[in-house]
Amino acid sequence: KQEVTQIPAALSVPEGENLVLNCSFTDSAIYNLQWFRQDPGKGLTSLLLIQSSQREQTSGRLNASLDKSSGRSTLYIAASQPGDSATYLCAVLSSNTGKLIFGQGTTLQVKP
Amino acid sequence: DTAVSQTPKYLVTQMGNDKSIKCEQNLGHDTMYWYKQDSKKFLKIMFSYNNKELIINETVPNRFSPKSPDKAHLNLHINSLELGDSAVYFCASSHGLAGGRGTDTQYFGPGTRLTVL
Repeated sequence: KQEVTQIPAALSVPEGENLVLNCSFTDSAIYNLQWFRQDPGKGLTSLLLIQSSQREQTSGRLNASLDKSSGRSTLYIAASQPGDSATYLCAVLSSNTGKLIFGQGTTLQVKP
Repeated sequence: DTAVSQTPKYLVTQMGNDKSIKCEQNLGHDTMYWYKQDSKKFLKIMFSYNNKELIINETVPNRFSPKSPDKAHLNLHINSLELGDSAVYFCASSHGLAGGRGTDTQYFGPGTRLTVL
C-alpha cells in the first residue's frame, strides 16, 4: 500500500533563506509525483509535476527532484518570501491503483 | 473564469440531515474526483468519474453518493450526516485517466467546508 510522508510537518524561516521540503513514498510504482500549494481556506494549486522518468522540474524559484528508486522527492525553494507561506503537499499518482496519494503536508511560515 | 468551482463554500448542518455539494469544471476535462480533507489536513480520494462513469470508489460509507449528470459536473450527495463527516471536501478534474494520460495534472476546486453539529 502506497504511503507518502512529508518532513518536516512545519517549518518557520526568515525571509531570504533557501529551504528544502522532503517527501518520501513507499512504492516506486508511480506515474508521476506532484507538489501542490494550499493556502488557508483555499484549494490546491499545482506547483510542479515530475514524470516517473524525469529527475527534476523547475519553475521560477522552485525546483523539485525525484529519485524513484529510493522513494524520495525534495522541493527546493530559493530566496523564500513571506508570500511563500502556505502548506505544501506532495502527492504520487500510483500506477497500481490510478489514485493520487497525498502526504500530510509541510506548513511553511516565512517571516519578514 | 474559474476552472473548478464548488458550491457551497461553507455548509453547516445538523446531524441526520441530507445535503449536497455541487462541482463544475469548465476545462473540458473527462475525469472528475472528490477528495476529503480531515481535521489533520490529510487528503484522501473518495470517488472518481470518467465520462460520467464511476472509476474509483474508495471505502466510503454508502451514505455518500456521487452523481455525474454530464462530464462537466460531479455532485456529492450525503445522506444522514454524522459528526465524523465534518471535513473539507475538494472536487478536482483532469484531462484523462491515470494510465491513459499519466502526465495529467489534477486541478482542484476551492473546497467546501462541511460542519455537522
